[in-house]
Amino acid sequence: AQKITQTQPGMFVQEKEAVTLDCTYDTSDPSYGLFWYKQPSSGEMIFLIYQGSYDQQNATEGRYSLNFQKARKSANLVISASQLGDSAMYFCAMREGLGGGFKTIFGAGTRLFVKA
Amino acid sequence: NAGVTQTPKFRVLKTGQSMTLLCAQDMNHEYMYWYRQDPGMGLRLIHYSVGEGTTAKGEVPDGYNVSRLKKQNFLLGLESAAPSQTSVYFCASSYEGEGDTEAFFGQGTRLTVV
Repeated sequence: AQKITQTQPGMFVQEKEAVTLDCTYDTSDPSYGLFWYKQPSSGEMIFLIYQGSYDQQNATEGRYSLNFQKARKSANLVISASQLGDSAMYFCAMREGLGGGFKTIFGAGTRLFVKA
Repeated sequence: NAGVTQTPKFRVLKTGQSMTLLCAQDMNHEYMYWYRQDPGMGLRLIHYSVGEGTTAKGEVPDGYNVSRLKKQNFLLGLESAAPSQTSVYFCASSYEGEGDTEAFFGQGTRLTVV
């Protein structure tokens, strides 16, 4: 069963506008962490933001924020004021706790294109 | 400040050959992971380890073996390479525990099996 689902293979956004990248997850483990990573064309994996399952507030890191809706099992990434350098693949990931063996799994990714 | 280092960065194998990919981390992390990334796809977990001497299967373990004899090293072995194992392989490590324990990634190994 797919545990991390990213339903948007590709997204376009105008420079300086905000964009939301969707992520839903599935786990029965009460303790888990959710991550977003960016992969530019050069191939490296860049950590963006983290949300813990027990965190009450949505995580924010600069222009990145995570819209965490626990009951809906969604963890969408919001990028504000998009820049040309934001064009990349974006991956949602989940690390389960003890019940899931502490493994970290990834979604299929969303390719974001920022237009000038 | 090396972080996570993968060796080699590129390799071409013939079908049936064997090889070992080495991942080394200098951050004293407990958790280490091997992923494969195929064109246009996300990272799929092959095997992982939550500590020295321990390994566990991920999402796509068939055709691969791993060992974690030392805490800082995590080896991925292909006993008999197949064209379906052509991929980019990423190693990652992370600190054990609760909270913001992001995974740090190596630069990847591009493997082609012909």
